Parts: sequence; C-alpha cells; structure tokens
Amino acid sequence: QKEVEQNSGPLSVPEGAIASLNCTYSDRGSQSFFWYRQYSGKSPELIMSIYSNGDKEDGRFTAQLNKASQYVSLLIRDSQPSDSATYLCAVLTGAGGSYIPTFGRGTSLIVHP
Amino acid sequence: GAVVSQHPSRVICKSGTSVKIECRSLDFQATTMFWYRQFPKQSLMLMATSNEGSKATYEQGVEKDKFLINHASLTLSTLTVTSAHPEDSSFYICSALPLAGYYNEQFFGPGTRLTVL
Repeated sequence: QKEVEQNSGPLSVPEGAIASLNCTYSDRGSQSFFWYRQYSGKSPELIMSIYSNGDKEDGRFTAQLNKASQYVSLLIRDSQPSDSATYLCAVLTGAGGSYIPTFGRGTSLIVHP
Repeated sequence: GAVVSQHPSRVICKSGTSVKIECRSLDFQATTMFWYRQFPKQSLMLMATSNEGSKATYEQGVEKDKFLINHASLTLSTLTVTSAHPEDSSFYICSALPLAGYYNEQFFGPGTRLTVL
C-alpha cells in the first residue's frame, strides 16, 4: 500500500522565520511530488511541484526532493501569519491515463506575529 | 489558467434523496478527474478516479452503487450521491489532471459541502 507520511504538527514558528515541512513516501515508483496548502474549510491549493532530485525555488517557497531517501520537504522563508494553514504532501504514480494520487495527512503550520 | 469549478458549493438535503455534484475544468481539458471526501479535521480521502469515456475506478470501501460517477466529456465529471444519509454529510472535492500544459499537476475545485438531515 502506497503511503505518504507527514508529521501532523502543529508546527509553530514566529513571523519572519523559516518553516520546514517534511514528508516521506513509500513507493519508489512515484514520479511526481507536490505540496498543497489547505486553509480550514477550503479545498487544497497547489503551491509547488517537483519531479527531479534537488531543490526548486518559487518565491518564498523551496521544495526539495531526495528520491534515494524517499523524502520531500518544503521550506517557507519569511513566514507570514497568512501562511498559517495545513500543508499536504502528495505523490502521483502512474502514466498513460492511469494515475494514483496519494496524500499525506497534512502538517498544520501556525505562524505567530 | 487551470481553473476547476464545482456546483453546488453547498447543499442541504433530506435523508433518502439523491444529490448530484458537477465538476468542470473551465480552461483546460482533463484526462482524469478525481473525487475526494474530507471529514472535519481529517485528511483527504480518495473516493474514485474517473477517465473520460470509461467507468470510474473506486477505492476500496467506497460503494460504487451509492456514489455514481459519470465522466461525460474532457471538461465535466459528475458525482451523484444516491439515497443520501446523515453519515454521507461531508466535504466533497474534485480535482482534474490537465491533458496538456501542466505536468501531472492536479487542480482542485472549491469543494461541495453536503449536509444530509
């Protein structure tokens, strides 16, 4: 069974600090990796996607992927109170119209002023 | 781009009735659409995967006769909750995988909150 593990938190950081969110996955065949942000009562919103080993930066967000360790992380620099949300790690396996998404349970992030 | 809509956003119905939820990709065609359910303070639960023109694939424990999925076109999928009961009350969310332009990125609709009385 494919699994994606995340620490449920809450992770509490002060405003302006770096928030570090981590995720591990069980299926070595996973090809695509994503981070979603979900505010309470809302649907998930895509923040970052990453497909190859290394770092990918987009504004204040950096995703890191290490396929050998089956590990994905998300760094949020200069954290703001508006970043307070649940962050979902997701992996996608498959091809040719047959895909299987697997989500972690999410990490709750609290950014306090 | 990559906008997904859902209708209705909120529905309240009586026990025993059926409810249809529509999921549309507004500015792209989707090879695959997914349907999820989320209970309060719990994680997303994948219910089923639908591909245009094919029967949906349901996850283990999801009753296919209760949750009917139709993927009529590359921009529309519907979920019908038949004979709804209070335990079906939940937040139902669809997502779509674009046919082209985005590499395997799922885009989510805003969700439908179902309350069964």
